[in-house]
Amino acid sequence: GAGVSQSPSNKVTEKGKDVELRCDPISGHTALYWYRQSLGQGLEFLIYFQGNSAPDKSGLPSDRFSAERTGGSVSTLTIQRTQQEDSAVYLCASSSRGGTGGYEQYFGPGTRLTVT
Amino acid sequence: AQKVTQAQTEISVVEKEDVTLDCVYETRDTTYYLFWYKQPPSGELVFLIRRNSFDEQNEISGRYSWNFQKSTSSFNFTITASQVVDSAVYFCALRGGTYKYIFGTGTRLKVLA
Repeated sequence: GAGVSQSPSNKVTEKGKDVELRCDPISGHTALYWYRQSLGQGLEFLIYFQGNSAPDKSGLPSDRFSAERTGGSVSTLTIQRTQQEDSAVYLCASSSRGGTGGYEQYFGPGTRLTVT
Repeated sequence: AQKVTQAQTEISVVEKEDVTLDCVYETRDTTYYLFWYKQPPSGELVFLIRRNSFDEQNEISGRYSWNFQKSTSSFNFTITASQVVDSAVYFCALRGGTYKYIFGTGTRLKVLA
């Protein structure tokens, strides 16, 4: 079946511009995560959505970052007034359930964001 | 606090050698889950395995095997007879009593022909 998809795959933007990154999770997966991975680094948690519950935004690095998930499916991560330090690969993952179950995450291919 | 440590930043081996990737975790949760992911040069993380804290049985899948030891808080990953296609960054991850996954910093494995 179809995996997690993300678009665009690459995005180059000028400092100060806004960008929108899209994630389409696996159908039926209620939990959705956004991570950021800087070059050669591990994964930094950004935000978590579970069904219709309020998202956990505790990982968002600043108020320039926001995310929404419409209809419990597609999610959009928005970065306003981009800065060079925002350059990274943004990864989206989904899993079949959230809560306290230990369900594996399935990752999308990521969006590589470059801020010039 | 929860933590995952992958002390090996980079490992290089010659093809057909066996290699073990170390993962040490910290958690106060009695129920937790451990994972390994592979990130090949293409960039997409691929799920390899999940272990539950209440199941210490080791697992073997082809050339891959995993050794889970609660006594040492370790969940090590061994590749037998490594191949060039095994070259990737490997991440160990932990999920405890919340929905957050804690990832290690990854181990870059280079398998040389």
